[in-house]
Amino acid sequence: AQKITQTQPGMFVQEKEAVTLDCTYDTSDPSYGLFWYKQPSSGEMIFLIYQGSYDQQNATEGRYSLNFQKARKSANLVISASQLGDSAMYFCAMREGSGGSYIPTFGRGTSLIVHP
Amino acid sequence: DARVTQTPRDKVTEMGQEVTMRCQPILGHNTVFWYRQTMMQGLELLAYFRNRAPLDDSGMPKDRFSAEMPDATLATLKIQPSEPRDSAVYFCASGLSLNYNEQFFGPGTRLTVL
Repeated sequence: AQKITQTQPGMFVQEKEAVTLDCTYDTSDPSYGLFWYKQPSSGEMIFLIYQGSYDQQNATEGRYSLNFQKARKSANLVISASQLGDSAMYFCAMREGSGGSYIPTFGRGTSLIVHP
Repeated sequence: DARVTQTPRDKVTEMGQEVTMRCQPILGHNTVFWYRQTMMQGLELLAYFRNRAPLDDSGMPKDRFSAEMPDATLATLKIQPSEPRDSAVYFCASGLSLNYNEQFFGPGTRLTVL
């Protein structure tokens, strides 16, 4: 079974609008971490945001927030006030286990295009 | 501005040749990861080092791939012999084992095996 599922291969959003990128995960480990990365056309992978399974509040980093719904096993990325520079591939990833082990699994990604 | 560096950025080679990719992690980082990205498979973890010791290389084809860290400032990924199916972008990432929440990725090496 897929550990990380990103069901939206492509998304379009108008500049200045908010957009939600979906991510669901599958794990039986009580301790895990969820990440989002951005990959622009230049190819580099840029860390955006992290949510731990025990974190009580949703993570936020500037215009990025992670809508963490533990019971539904979803970790959607919300980008507020989209900018043209947000056009990129976005990857959801999960780390399972405690700090002694770090084996991340990545989803297949969602391509986001921001229109002017 | 500390960054992970990778060399070469692009490599075109012929089937059967040896390929060596190098990574310089961010100074002070003690974890290093090698990933491979393809359209078909997405991003796959190949190997993972902590304090220069390999902790997991289960994602790496052992017959032709090898990963090492000769010192704390250099990680290498070798393919011998290379095959066309090895064509991909290979990323190196580094981080701190005390903070498993963030990895810093290098720019990647685009490998094309003809």
